Amino acid sequence: EVQLVESGGGLIQPGGSLRLSCAASGFTVSSNYMSWVRQAPGKGLEWVSVIYSGGSTNYADSVKGRFTISRDNSKNTLYLQMNSLRAEDTAVYYCARVVAVAFDSWGQGTLVTVSS
Amino acid sequence: QSALTQPASVSGSPGQSITISCTGTSSDVGSYNLVSWYQQHPGKAPKLMIYEVSKRPSGVSNRFSGSKSGNTASLTISGLQAEDEADYYCCSYASSSTYVFGTGTKVTVL
Repeated sequence: EVQLVESGGGLIQPGGSLRLSCAASGFTVSSNYMSWVRQAPGKGLEWVSVIYSGGSTNYADSVKGRFTISRDNSKNTLYLQMNSLRAEDTAVYYCARVVAVAFDSWGQGTLVTVSS
Repeated sequence: QSALTQPASVSGSPGQSITISCTGTSSDVGSYNLVSWYQQHPGKAPKLMIYEVSKRPSGVSNRFSGSKSGNTASLTISGLQAEDEADYYCCSYASSSTYVFGTGTKVTVL
């Protein structure tokens, strides 16, 4: 069974950094495309980043240069390093597996709150 | 990349059919047959309902169907049931190898 479990969210001050983790089971992260999607409180879904099986990455303009997606193959875990955080980055962050250019499996999400 | 446009809300009575539209541009919906749809109940993670415009993942009811014409994709729910009440989001692959979600539609079962 495919399972994704995010962790690492919390309250952080503007300008701070946070690293989110997404532990996967039931499949191999490095053999799949993986993404982060976020949802601000009461708002819609926003795609954040993708990492391809070959290791290349891509980002939404809103986070480019501040966020970095990566993976640890030995731990079968996906990461999102978030720097220079802003109030508008406040959201539930979901990790998702990408299959056939769609997000076919999702974690339960982890809440990141950027506030002083 | 601007969000795809969806109606804020759609409603229907049990047993009826409803259709949710998702309008993009020639840089996303119009260029790729890579539109997907997600159902999200309050406090839950989204669930994939349709991928590649009209394909259903295993386990998704055949009451859900998708289509596309030009820059607009659509999700139809037939035989509406109480459990279908949720938020629905479309998503399209876009130029520059990015993804763009729709603004979301709240479906209410009357």
